Amino acid sequence: EVQLLESGGGLVQPGGSLRLSCAVSGFTFNSYGMSWVRQAPGKGLEWVSTTSGSGRNTFYSDSVKGRFTISRDDSRNTLYMQMNSLRAEDTAVYYCAKGRSYSGYGSLDSWGLGILVTVSS
Amino acid sequence: QSVLTQPPSASGTPGQRVTISCSGTSSNIGGNSVNWYQHLPGTAPKLLIYSTNQRPSGVPDRFSGSKSGTSASLAINGLQSEDEADYYCAAWDDSLNGSVFGGGTKLTVL
Repeated sequence: EVQLLESGGGLVQPGGSLRLSCAVSGFTFNSYGMSWVRQAPGKGLEWVSTTSGSGRNTFYSDSVKGRFTISRDDSRNTLYMQMNSLRAEDTAVYYCAKGRSYSGYGSLDSWGLGILVTVSS
Repeated sequence: QSVLTQPPSASGTPGQRVTISCSGTSSNIGGNSVNWYQHLPGTAPKLLIYSTNQRPSGVPDRFSGSKSGTSASLAINGLQSEDEADYYCAAWDDSLNGSVFGGGTKLTVL
């Protein structure tokens, strides 16, 4: 059974940093692209970032480019999102999701329950 | 403002057929496959349709997807009360070099 468990969320001040983790099990981690998707309060789903199975190819939404960094540790079966220079508009539930393909371009077939990140002073 | 455009709401009675539209451009829907997700608040989103018209294992065949040009649709036949949820379309966008989601459609079963 595929499982994804996010951690590392919480309350952070504007301008601060946070690192999200997503521990996965039930599949061969380095064979699939992985993504982060977020949902701000009262809003819809917003794609944030994707990494390929190798981690060599990474993609970011314009809203986080230059501030967020996606990475993966295949030895720990864990996906990360380093979030710097956080803004109030980054407040959201962040979901970790498994891609159906190695590239990560396509659909996301398994999702975690999400972790709340609140950016506020 | 989402790159893909969906109606904010849709509704139907049990047993009815409901369709949800998703409008995009040649850089996303027009040139790439479309995926649909079902999301109930407080739960993990669920993949409903991938590659425009394919159902993952376990998704009832009441759900179907299609695409024409730069628009896509999700159809739900035989509407059931448990179908009440938010539905999102998504596609890769070649111009943005990233994935894009629709704004979501809240489906109410009357």
